[in-house]
Amino acid sequence: SYELTQPPSVSVSPGQTARITCSGDTLSKQYTFWYQQRPGQAPVLVIYKDTERPSGISERFSGSSSGTTVTLTISEVQAEDEADYYCQSSDTTYTFEVFGGGTRLTVL
Amino acid sequence: EVQLVESGGGLVQPGGSLRLSCVASGFNFSNYWMSWVRQAPGKGLEWVANIKQNGSARHYADSVRGRFTISRDNAKNSLYLQLDSLRVEDTAIYYCAFLPGYWGQGVLVTVST
Repeated sequence: SYELTQPPSVSVSPGQTARITCSGDTLSKQYTFWYQQRPGQAPVLVIYKDTERPSGISERFSGSSSGTTVTLTISEVQAEDEADYYCQSSDTTYTFEVFGGGTRLTVL
Repeated sequence: EVQLVESGGGLVQPGGSLRLSCVASGFNFSNYWMSWVRQAPGKGLEWVANIKQNGSARHYADSVRGRFTISRDNAKNSLYLQLDSLRVEDTAIYYCAFLPGYWGQGVLVTVST
C-alpha cells in the first residue's frame, strides 16, 4: 500500500506562519491536494494541484512542492485557522486515493 | 451550486448490511469519477472506494475489498455504497465525494451490538 506522512500536530501563535508537511514516495509524480476540516464539518479544499488555491480561499494559504515532500503554508495565522489539515494524493496509476494521517493546527 | 446529499446511515449489528445513497446536483454527474471517504470517530480521513464515469471500473481500499460495493445510476444522478459483513471498525461518518473539491455532509454508520 501507499502512505502519506504528516506531523500529528503543529502549534503557532497568532500572526506567525504555520508550515505543514506531507511526504510520500510518489508526490514528485502526482498532484497533492490539501483539506481543512473543522470539528463536526466536512473537509474543505484549500489547495489543489500542489500550489493552486480555489476561489474563496484566503490568500494566506499557499502550497509548495519539493521532491517527495509538499508543504502547506498558512501565513499570518488566525484563531479561525485552528483545524485539522489533510493532504491527499493518488497512486501513479490513479487506481486509488490516499490521505495523510492529518495534522492538528493549534493556535496558541 | 454543487450539492451531494447522503442518506441511509444508521445502527447495525456486526455482520449486518446497509446501503448508503448519495444524490448529486449542480454538475454533470455522469462525466466524473466519484468516491466514498470515511472517518472513524476521532480519526483521520480514509478513502474507501471510487467508480468510473460509466461504472466500468471500481477500486476499493484493502480494508473494505470484498465486503463493500460501490455503484452508480447516472440517470438518477446517484452514487451508492453497499456495506456487507459489517465490523465494529467500520463505524464512521461516510462521505460521498467528487474529489477533490466537493463533499457531502456525511452520514453516520454505527456498527455495534
